[in-house]
Amino acid sequence: NAGVMQNPRHLVRRRGQEARLRCSPMKGHSHVYWYRQLPEEGLKFMVYLQKENIIDESGMPKERFSAEFPKEGPSILRIQQVVRGDSAAYFCASSPKTGNTGELFFGEGSRLTVL
Amino acid sequence: AQSVTQLDSQVPVFEEAPVELRCNYSSSVSVYLFWYVQYPNQGLQLLLKYLSGSTLVESINGFEAEFNKSQTSFHLRKPSVHISDTAEYFCAVSFPGYSSASKIIFGSGTRLSIRP
Repeated sequence: NAGVMQNPRHLVRRRGQEARLRCSPMKGHSHVYWYRQLPEEGLKFMVYLQKENIIDESGMPKERFSAEFPKEGPSILRIQQVVRGDSAAYFCASSPKTGNTGELFFGEGSRLTVL
Repeated sequence: AQSVTQLDSQVPVFEEAPVELRCNYSSSVSVYLFWYVQYPNQGLQLLLKYLSGSTLVESINGFEAEFNKSQTSFHLRKPSVHISDTAEYFCAVSFPGYSSASKIIFGSGTRLSIRP
């Protein structure tokens, strides 16, 4: 399966702990996007990365959230000192090129539950 | 301001009945339009898209959508739904010329539930 791979699929954390979500883009894709989906809400853009570069982080909360996409390995979305409001599904998507037609390839998501 | 509105958060229909999921957008510039489908516990998948040309676009599983520029709409239709169409459907808009997915705007989604 050469699709977008996310792990873990489900993650439970207590308030104050750290959450790390991983995303491996489709083979041949070098652009990664992270979205957050809150219950009963749509998708909210968080961050757009290329290898070793953050291109657009306009949707990232100013504190506690960070993302990276290293030269080797998956992209990681890191949430420090989680709070209950961070409970959501986090989706990663990838695309093969910078030309934006809006076609994104999504992973199955990582569902974070903060107790 | 640019936005996407899906007026119906939930649409229940009977199997084999027709369905229309509404999508309206607001933009002062030209747009690309998309419908994505999200089956339970899965990620989003592209269902169909309008980039240019014919305003009526179709998917492989019987859905179609028509771009109506004057009404700024891109409603999704299917003449006869099946149980397997049960999913959440997201309308999305992007803007030619922008290189970032931050310019892709998603609607809040419509949950389609099919009753036997």
